[in-house]
Amino acid sequence: LAKTTQPISMDSYEGQEVNITCSHNNIATNDYITWYQQFPSQGPRFIIQGYKTKVTNEVASLFIPADRKSSTLSLPRVSLSDTAVYYCLVAYNNNDMRFGAGTRLTVKP
Amino acid sequence: EPEVTQTPSHQVTQMGQEVILRCVPISNHLYFYWYRQILGQKVEFLVSFYNNEISEKSEIFDDQFSVERPDGSNFTLKIRSTKLEDSAMYFCASSETRDVYTGELFFGEGSRLTVL
Repeated sequence: LAKTTQPISMDSYEGQEVNITCSHNNIATNDYITWYQQFPSQGPRFIIQGYKTKVTNEVASLFIPADRKSSTLSLPRVSLSDTAVYYCLVAYNNNDMRFGAGTRLTVKP
Repeated sequence: EPEVTQTPSHQVTQMGQEVILRCVPISNHLYFYWYRQILGQKVEFLVSFYNNEISEKSEIFDDQFSVERPDGSNFTLKIRSTKLEDSAMYFCASSETRDVYTGELFFGEGSRLTVL
């Protein structure tokens, strides 16, 4: 199973763009990269998923370089409500979805 | 929006007692999961379930744990004889397919288990 490495924590201010990078050096050819968000005392929630290059949805963008050994979650113009833990997962099927420690993002006013 | 529902939201039990945590997955989903999260720690995979049998389980999911889908809607996690270290938030999740690409995991709000 591909192991992921993320910063333990990040701080930001409202209105700023936040980029969280995840390293996954031993990603397999069939693996997809998925990011989940978790608020305190709630279940994780899907944010975005990608395989290569760039993916964008209404809440975030995901940048994946050609070698796929890392990925960057970009949150545009964060607000206080974006304070949460963000998990990067690498897997091909849902049975392999193992959560790491995640990145605790704190957005300050 | 369809959602995964879990009951109870919080259960307090004595060490050695049996506990059953219940989940109602999203109705058209076929794959079901249990995860747990000890306070302040990461989300840990316990077990996945498909077609009325366990697909995969982690090393945490030992003989004191069991899962079943007793009817067409509920998915349960039973802890036979609870220990102090079983105190955690237990999350149920479901997905339409097994593949990550086509099967986003939908999580419930969790059941907090406190073992005294």
